Amino acid sequence: DTAVSQTPKYLVTQMGNDKSIKCEQNLGHDTMYWYKQDSKKFLKIMFSYNNKELIINETVPNRFSPKSPDKAHLNLHINSLELGDSAVYFCASSQGRLAPEQFFGPGTRLTVL
Amino acid sequence: AQSVAQPEDQVNVAEGNPLTVKCTYSVSGNPYLFWYVQYPNRGLQFLLKYITGDNLVKGSYGFEAEFNKSQTSFHLKKPSALVSDSALYFCAVRDMPSGTYKYIFGTGTRLKVLA
Repeated sequence: DTAVSQTPKYLVTQMGNDKSIKCEQNLGHDTMYWYKQDSKKFLKIMFSYNNKELIINETVPNRFSPKSPDKAHLNLHINSLELGDSAVYFCASSQGRLAPEQFFGPGTRLTVL
Repeated sequence: AQSVAQPEDQVNVAEGNPLTVKCTYSVSGNPYLFWYVQYPNRGLQFLLKYITGDNLVKGSYGFEAEFNKSQTSFHLKKPSALVSDSALYFCAVRDMPSGTYKYIFGTGTRLKVLA
């Protein structure tokens, strides 16, 4: 009964490949996010969806394409992977409009060789 | 745009001693401030937040934070540190650049509690 889950936990792939990461939350939240955490542990928002609608897109290369089939799911597809895409990707969710806290998934460690 | 700064990359404290992890903020308008903790190979966990009201905010695992408007600070504190508190701590602020909100995270402070 994990609140925010991500698959896979680890992803190792070659440059140029296309890969997807899936996220699901069972909290009934209406907002979901993707974050990238680099090797220095800096955390940066990439995308945010509210009720399946994209509301934040933070100057991310268009090789990254999020998709939200429903409120409980937010997937991240990455085309033509590059070495610099290696990072830990976190999904998160929240509920409410003022200043809700976020619930984070366990992360997906992506390594591009 | 809003921002937060965590001036210390690492804080070392002996078990049983009080701990402080520092955060300063820069906002226009009302500040909405958060603390999160990240244990190794895990996602971030929410500890506490300040929206309005009492300047001392109490959170999970015995942590609290003091909001200081004049010093634009939101330091995380705990009266007595445990070895299990060793983790990476992030301060965050809510930003609303164009009607939709997002969160800006600090660079993180690694807390090491020594037995």
